[in-house]
Amino acid sequence: AQSVTQLGSHVSVSEGALVLLRCNYSSSVPPYLFWYVQYPNQGLQLLLKYTSAATLVKGINGFEAEFKKSETSFHLTKPSAHMSDAAEYFCAVRGGGADGLTFGKGTHLIIQP
Amino acid sequence: DAGITQSPRHKVTETGTPVTLRCHQTENHRYMYWYRQDPGHGLRLIHYSYGVKDTDKGEVSDGYSVSRSKTEDFLLTLESATSSQTSVYFCAATTGQGTGNTIYFGEGSWLTVV
Repeated sequence: AQSVTQLGSHVSVSEGALVLLRCNYSSSVPPYLFWYVQYPNQGLQLLLKYTSAATLVKGINGFEAEFKKSETSFHLTKPSAHMSDAAEYFCAVRGGGADGLTFGKGTHLIIQP
Repeated sequence: DAGITQSPRHKVTETGTPVTLRCHQTENHRYMYWYRQDPGHGLRLIHYSYGVKDTDKGEVSDGYSVSRSKTEDFLLTLESATSSQTSVYFCAATTGQGTGNTIYFGEGSWLTVV
């Protein structure tokens, strides 16, 4: 079984500041980890995924995430926030079976001008 | 373009009526999923399919049934809609179980049960 915890249902940062969205996972098997973004009234778009090839994963729109097994974490970062980054972000884990993704509850990212 | 379309995109229905949501994909994905999204809960798996006529229950399957008679279509049926089933429903699909297989999402279906 696997689960994901996202710390902070809402995160607010100033435009140009560092974005840090936290995700911790629990998995009984080597996890496959994902970050998705959801803009208002839209579906989910894949930002990046951890495939075990490298612990630092780069994604779209300048985002990246680092897999830390010792901390069971997969935090999402972006060096400089842009107004267009305002959205809902979901961390998800997949255990390798047919039953798809287990999602965290999401973090709403607010960008202050 | 993930090649996944959902219909209807918006629906208002009355308590007690049956409702069917359709998911259609054009990429020959083997695995398909139905999730519901509610504030404070993220996305929760309702049912999934691992092939034609092969389906299984997810975390929140009570009150829902699914069918998959062909690869491209995955139907979600609310047998007798209740207000607690007011939600946004997302269909998703992927080709395989491996890490290289991204799970793609449709645009969502907004369902209101009054």
